[in-house]
Amino acid sequence: DIQMTQSPSSLPASVGDRVTITCRASQDISTWLAWYQQKPEQAPKSLIHAASRLQSGVPSRFSGSGSGTDFTLTISNLQPEDFATYYCQHYHGYPLTFGGGTKVENK
Amino acid sequence: QVQLVQSGAEVKKPGASVRISCKASGYSFTSYYIHWLRQAPGQGPEWMGWIHPSDGSTRYAHRLQARVTMTRDTSTRTLDMELRGLTPEDTAVYFCARDQRAVILPAGPYNYFDPWGQGTLVTVSS
Repeated sequence: DIQMTQSPSSLPASVGDRVTITCRASQDISTWLAWYQQKPEQAPKSLIHAASRLQSGVPSRFSGSGSGTDFTLTISNLQPEDFATYYCQHYHGYPLTFGGGTKVENK
Repeated sequence: QVQLVQSGAEVKKPGASVRISCKASGYSFTSYYIHWLRQAPGQGPEWMGWIHPSDGSTRYAHRLQARVTMTRDTSTRTLDMELRGLTPEDTAVYFCARDQRAVILPAGPYNYFDPWGQGTLVTVSS
């Protein structure tokens, strides 16, 4: 199985900050990588697929990059509604697996 | 708009089975794969498998395939997921989620999930 490792697990930040979350795959997954946002007591919400393609309706302050094994999710100009937990997911074969999550919390 | 509405919370004893429903609306029901996932407390989501509503074809995660069955009813636009032989380790919130891309069979799913159902809490406890 492909292991997805996110860092950091917790990220204190303030409104207006630029934040970067890293996701590393245990083997080459090309750009078969997605990002989701989850708020407490809610279902995950899709943000980015194919490593860098923004889901329709997602603000442009969210961006993704990377290929192979190393990927990043960047939120520029962090907004109050962005405090949440973020997960990466690979879809390069089965089983589909997720990272352990990065919680962006108010500093 | 696209909606997936799941059945309510369940409490089960170890060894029991649970069946969760997911009712779809707002899109062509037979054109999109539906995935089932679960999320244990404090963990990332775990993919359980998918079903294509058009022909009922399924693929299950290897570690669950002996205990899980996914079905669909095209007349009611409802997907069901049954998990048998429950243990406390199955305590989680269970989600249905639509694959992002419509496909014509035999094409496979894109495996990117949008949108998700609201989730169903399953608690397994003696």
